[in-house]
Amino acid sequence: GAVVSQHPSWVICKSGTSVKIECRSLDFQATTMFWYRQFPKQSLMLMATSNEGSKATYEQGVEKDKFLINHASLTLSTLTVTSAHPEDSSFYICSARDQAAKNIQYFGAGTRLSVL
Amino acid sequence: GENVEQHPSTLSVQEGDSAVIKCTYSDSASNYFPWYKQELGKRPQLIIDIRSNVGEKKDQRIAVTLNKTAKHFSLHITETQPEDSAVYFCSQILTGGGNKLTFGTGTQLKVEL
Repeated sequence: GAVVSQHPSWVICKSGTSVKIECRSLDFQATTMFWYRQFPKQSLMLMATSNEGSKATYEQGVEKDKFLINHASLTLSTLTVTSAHPEDSSFYICSARDQAAKNIQYFGAGTRLSVL
Repeated sequence: GENVEQHPSTLSVQEGDSAVIKCTYSDSASNYFPWYKQELGKRPQLIIDIRSNVGEKKDQRIAVTLNKTAKHFSLHITETQPEDSAVYFCSQILTGGGNKLTFGTGTQLKVEL
């Protein structure tokens, strides 16, 4: 299957700082990428849909000013957690939709964020 | 709505036995149903999928069945092995729903020796 690279895999930051997470589709172009958050022993919850060249679409209850999404190219989307707080600590996972492969979504390896 | 109910939440089987996980969806517009396997701390991996124009699909020890009338779909794993132990998520995509995946709550499968 296609490869989606997510970086960093693990980050620890101080409360109040911002953290940027990158999601890249390595061998296909992705006009649409998705950002999920997963708490321990829970399912993946969609945060937002990242659209290349346009604004992201956020799910209900997700603060767009806190979780900034930029999808500037067909292979890269970034999620910036601004002014992070301990309650933002979670596992963040991106996925990219491969339009050439019947819209199958491939997932990144995830980023474990710990806010102190 | 876009909810997907998944059962059971945990499942323990003996090695070699079969495991079945069931999901129910509510929106008849759903047309694509992938299943993902996630090991602890790792990315979800697509293991099998089925589209709404098919009733059953099989790939070696894994099979998925879809009942559109009843709006439920199931994952069947035969001859289970210890490496099958993981969390399994069913999911769905709605036609015209922006291709958003909606996940079930997950099933922790444990295959015991």
